[in-house]
Amino acid sequence: AQTVTQSQPEMSVQEAETVTLSCTYDTSESDYYLFWYKQPPSRQMILVIRQEAYKQQNATENRFSVNFQKAAKSFSLKISDSQLGDAAMYFCAFQGGSEKLVFGKGTKLTVNP
Amino acid sequence: DTGVSQDPRHKITKRGQNVTFRCDPISEHNRLYWYRQTLGQGPEFLTYFQNEAQLEKSRLLSDRFSAERPKGSFSTLEIQRTEQGDSAMYLCASSLDYEQYFGPGTRLTVT
Repeated sequence: AQTVTQSQPEMSVQEAETVTLSCTYDTSESDYYLFWYKQPPSRQMILVIRQEAYKQQNATENRFSVNFQKAAKSFSLKISDSQLGDAAMYFCAFQGGSEKLVFGKGTKLTVNP
Repeated sequence: DTGVSQDPRHKITKRGQNVTFRCDPISEHNRLYWYRQTLGQGPEFLTYFQNEAQLEKSRLLSDRFSAERPKGSFSTLEIQRTEQGDSAMYLCASSLDYEQYFGPGTRLTVT
């Protein structure tokens, strides 16, 4: 069974600075997708960025980028120029041959003004 | 496109009662998923539909839980004889391919 580990329960960053959230996963599959979701307090889960495992190029979406290391089974999220609105729980998720998403326990990101 | 909607947003019930939640997916999405999220945890998969067919169920989905998706449109999740351990946020998501889009969730409190 696949597992997803987020080793940082909480992180904080100063506004306008850069922060990196870590995620590792375990799988025997070769084709899969990885995602980062954002869940603001009392609000719904929002897809931030996705990465297809067959693509070597790291995904980028505006201020959000990933560092995907397939051999190391690592998938970190970098947030540049952090904004107050980035404060949220961030979940790393894996999707393999099964349609279901397997989530990590999340990292709570605080952005300090 | 109005997104995934869920009803009700909050439900308080007494132990032993039955509850039913509804999820309306994004209109063109043929896949629909249910997850459960407890405090401080990531969502856990419960079940998945492609059109009206229920294709996968988690071991978490005990025989007190049943889900349906008649006509491949909206879905309902029913919990019979609720227990305090059922208190959680129940999330619905839908997709057309591999990207899942989540609804706001139904927060269930069992007293």
